[in-house]
Amino acid sequence: EVQLVESGGGLVQPGRSLRLSCAASGFTFDDYAMHWVRQAPGKGLEWVSGVSWNSGNIGYADSVKGRFTISRDNAKNSLYLQMNSLRAEDTALFYCAKADPGSSGSSFDYWGQGTLVTVSS
Amino acid sequence: QSVLTQPPSVSGAPGQRVTISCTGSSSNIGAGYDVHWYQQLPGTAPKLLIYGNNNRPSGVPDRFSGSKSGTSASLAITGLQAEDEADYYCQSYDSSLSVYVFGTGTKVTVL
Repeated sequence: EVQLVESGGGLVQPGRSLRLSCAASGFTFDDYAMHWVRQAPGKGLEWVSGVSWNSGNIGYADSVKGRFTISRDNAKNSLYLQMNSLRAEDTALFYCAKADPGSSGSSFDYWGQGTLVTVSS
Repeated sequence: QSVLTQPPSVSGAPGQRVTISCTGSSSNIGAGYDVHWYQQLPGTAPKLLIYGNNNRPSGVPDRFSGSKSGTSASLAITGLQAEDEADYYCQSYDSSLSVYVFGTGTKVTVL
């Protein structure tokens, strides 16, 4: 059974940093790209960042580019998101999601339960 | 600001058919990228409902179906049930922005 378990969320002041983690199990982690998707309270889904199986291809949403860094450790079956210079508008539930490559554009076939990040003074 | 537009809400009586549109552009759906759909029940994580425009993952009832044409896609729910009350999102890839994109989301209400 595929499981994705996020951790690392919490309350943080504007301008500070936070590191999210996602522990994966139930599939061959280093075969798949992984992504972070967030959802602000009462709002829709927003793709944040993605990393290919070997970290050779990485992408970010414009809203986080230059502030967030995605990484993975295939030996530990883990995905990370280092978030710096946090802003109030980064307040959201952050989901870790496994990519299913597909024929023309990936879908996200498994999701974790999310970890809540609240940016407030 | 999402590049995929969905109606904010749709509703129907039990047993009826409802459809949700997802309108994109020539850099995402119109460029040939697949459209995927997710169902998010209240207080839970999104769940993949349709992948590759019109394919259902194992366990998804055949009441759910997807289609794509030009720069738009649609999700249809036939035989609407109370348990279908949820938020639904479409998703694709945008080549001009080089990002994955989600639709604005649609809340389905069963009357």
